[in-house]
Amino acid sequence: DAGVIQSPRHEVTEMGQEVTLRCKPISGHNSLFWYRQTMMRGLELLIYFNNNVPIDDSGMPEDRFSAKMPNASFSTLKIQPSEPRDSAVYFCASSWGETQYFGPGTRLLVL
Amino acid sequence: AQKITQTQPGMFVQEKEAVTLDCTYDTSDPSYGLFWYKQPSSGEMIFLIYQGSYDQQNATEGRYSLNFQKARKSANLVISASQLGDSAMYFCAMRDRPPFQGAQKLVFGQGTRLTINP
Repeated sequence: DAGVIQSPRHEVTEMGQEVTLRCKPISGHNSLFWYRQTMMRGLELLIYFNNNVPIDDSGMPEDRFSAKMPNASFSTLKIQPSEPRDSAVYFCASSWGETQYFGPGTRLLVL
Repeated sequence: AQKITQTQPGMFVQEKEAVTLDCTYDTSDPSYGLFWYKQPSSGEMIFLIYQGSYDQQNATEGRYSLNFQKARKSANLVISASQLGDSAMYFCAMRDRPPFQGAQKLVFGQGTRLTINP
């Protein structure tokens, strides 16, 4: 069975550009999570969805960040406009029950 | 608020030795879950093992076991017979809501970098 799928795997963009990260959770999972990993702050939860509904977005840094989950098999995390401090690895994870399974991550570099 | 502390930034171990990675946690919720993840240099996060706060037995998964000491609020990961492929970052994480209350938020520690020497 396929794991969590994220695209793109790597993204290099210039400051001010819009960035969209995509995630396909494991089929049958009802919860989806977006995390950001940086050296300074470690792994931080940005937002999570349960049954496609956003439950907690308190970790979203600011209004430049938005996330959607239009259906059970797809979610996006958008940054507009992007800034150099947004450079990080962004992970998507999904779960049904206790354990969250992570995707391979998107490595974002904003120049 | 819940908190996870991993006090060992790095550890160096000889191949085939057992390794213990420390994790302490703080929560006021009586129902919680503890997790360990492995992050190799390739970057993916790999789930290793889970322990629920009401579980009577320590969790085990192959060479991984979790030394759960509830009174001390510690959940150390033990890797038996370490292998070169065990070299990676290891993260301890906690969720502090009963599992039936929908999706749960995980809080991660800062991680321990484990290096296995041949």
